[in-house]
Amino acid sequence: AQSVAQPEDQVNVAEGNPLTVKCTYSVSGNPYLFWYVQYPNRGLQFLLKYITGDNLVKGSYGFEAEFNKSQTSFHLKKPSALVSDSALYFCAVRDRTGGFKTIFGAGTRLFVKA
Amino acid sequence: DTAVSQTPKYLVTQMGNDKSIKCEQNLGHDTMYWYKQDSKKFLKIMFSYNNKELIINETVPNRFSPKSPDKAHLNLHINSLELGDSAVYFCASSQKAGLAGGRTGELFFGEGSRLTVL
Repeated sequence: AQSVAQPEDQVNVAEGNPLTVKCTYSVSGNPYLFWYVQYPNRGLQFLLKYITGDNLVKGSYGFEAEFNKSQTSFHLKKPSALVSDSALYFCAVRDRTGGFKTIFGAGTRLFVKA
Repeated sequence: DTAVSQTPKYLVTQMGNDKSIKCEQNLGHDTMYWYKQDSKKFLKIMFSYNNKELIINETVPNRFSPKSPDKAHLNLHINSLELGDSAVYFCASSQKAGLAGGRTGELFFGEGSRLTVL
């Protein structure tokens, strides 16, 4: 069965420090990988995606993500966290052969302290 | 212009009632979805339509009935509402993911409709 795991319910980091939000997946084939962010009482917003090629992909708001095929991981990173980055982050996967279903992880709440 | 808009934003209703949520997208996407987000923020796909054709129908009670009059609209009607239906319902749209043209099918979400069943 296809699944996405985000092992941490919450990540706490001080403003200015680097942050990492972890994601691993169990999906057949080579899926597209995504990160989405949800601010309170808002819909999810697309942050970045991995298609192919360079294992480090850059996205919106200074976020980047590192793809590791051998570990089937796609961790979200940012070199210097901002208080405004505090939100709920979702990792997601989608079949690249024409499928329609996007599978989401359970979400990780990021709290950045001033 | 809002890309994916859904109405109403809030619904508060009694058990047993029927309610509808409407969704419209102006992105020119062929595919639209309904997701349910529960109180623990877990996201679960309910339905998906591609060009007005139902393509995903997850294990959802048949009290839930989606309707897509055209590829820019996807509505959700819920009959005989139950307490457990209380959640936030998100509409989303995407291009179809596929090898051609590098389309990766990232989702564009509406702001959500918070349903509270009393």
